Amino acid sequence: EADIYQTPRYLVIGTGKKITLECSQTMGHDKMYWYQQDPGMELHLIHYSYGVNSTEKGDLSSESTVSRIRTEHFPLTLESARPSHTSQYLCASSAGQFFQETQYFGPGTRLLVL
Amino acid sequence: KQEVTQIPAALSVPEGENLVLNCSFTDSAIYNLQWFRQDPGKGLTSLLLIQSSQREQTSGRLNASLDKSSGRSTLYIAASQPGDSATYLCAVSNTGGGNKLTFGTGTQLKVEL
Repeated sequence: EADIYQTPRYLVIGTGKKITLECSQTMGHDKMYWYQQDPGMELHLIHYSYGVNSTEKGDLSSESTVSRIRTEHFPLTLESARPSHTSQYLCASSAGQFFQETQYFGPGTRLLVL
Repeated sequence: KQEVTQIPAALSVPEGENLVLNCSFTDSAIYNLQWFRQDPGKGLTSLLLIQSSQREQTSGRLNASLDKSSGRSTLYIAASQPGDSATYLCAVSNTGGGNKLTFGTGTQLKVEL
């Protein structure tokens, strides 16, 4: 079983608030990812990191930002939440060579912005 | 741009039946293809990973095949059980893109008693 954690699991917040979604993994993986998933839709990569102090934007444009100061921690921040940010956010991590590595996912954070 | 399609979108079968889920992708330049399971309100669980040089992988009652040249993969589930009910997602990892995954929209499977 993968040891990757996300908090909070559920969050209801008002427009304009700053929020940080936490993601931590205890597997020592160098690569970490954030995906966004709307109900009934596919997952879209919004951020990824290949190691400490490395962050890149994914395929789907997002107003969120990320940081990677420690290997095990990859938080996602929204400076000013809006209803359009309502979605499920999934964090994942992986290690090894690209052709053979599996991504391990956390349980996700369901965000509702009122 | 890689596009991943899964057919059918939903499937309901009686317990014990063998079934096949389909996945197709448009760009064959991939590192690997992965099948995941997603239960309601939860994250994804990796089921099988097929490297681009491989043709199939097996795990228990699951067998996944890959035909990279035609851009197709199938997930075969033998002797389905109610506990198999979930959404099954196919994802491909593109060369030149690190290990960034492109996902399909999934097949929602319900196995009935």
